[in-house]
Amino acid sequence: EAGVTQFPSHSVIEKGQTVTLRCDPISGHDNLYWYRRVMGKEIKFLLHFVKESKQDESGMPNNRFLAERTGGTYSTLKVQPAELEDSGVYFCASSRLQGSNTEAFFGQGTRLTVV
Amino acid sequence: TQLLEQSPQFLSIQEGENLTVYCNSSSVFSSLQWYRQEPGEGPVLLVTVVTGGEVKKLKRLTFQFGDARKDSSLHITAAQPGDTGLYLCAGARNNQGGKLIFGQGTELSVKP
Repeated sequence: EAGVTQFPSHSVIEKGQTVTLRCDPISGHDNLYWYRRVMGKEIKFLLHFVKESKQDESGMPNNRFLAERTGGTYSTLKVQPAELEDSGVYFCASSRLQGSNTEAFFGQGTRLTVV
Repeated sequence: TQLLEQSPQFLSIQEGENLTVYCNSSSVFSSLQWYRQEPGEGPVLLVTVVTGGEVKKLKRLTFQFGDARKDSSLHITAAQPGDTGLYLCAGARNNQGGKLIFGQGTELSVKP
């Protein structure tokens, strides 16, 4: 069974440009999460999809970030326009269930550098 | 606001030594998970503790959840170079959809 895959693994863009990150969850996992780790800080929650619906987007930093999950399969996270403080590692995770005792499987992350 | 304080942030020890990593909070969690992350990879779940006072063992790793479910510890006995990596604690609460709150992580280096 394939794990959670993220693309690209690295991205370097200039301030003001647009970047789109993609996450392919494990097949059959309705729950998909985006997290971010900025340098020196802890991994922080961004948002949670259940199938194609946003269940919780309380962690999204501002309206420059747009997440979608059309069809309830893969998800994209677009940053437009990117700012320097958006640099960090973006992780995607998926799980079959959504309880507090549920195992979430993480992708390898996308390292975003905004220069 | 850092809800989960993890310490120490860095730990460098010799092979064979014991170590303990702590994860503390002023808030109650329904469960506490411990992850290990290798460079270039995502976090991988080691264990989940859900009951206050619960102790789980995974080979040389012992995980404990505090009685009040506000803190947790990871103890490694006779550390090996293969234990080197980033260890993360993460808390979850019921009715929050599986959202995880992470500690800052502990970067462990075990020297041969």
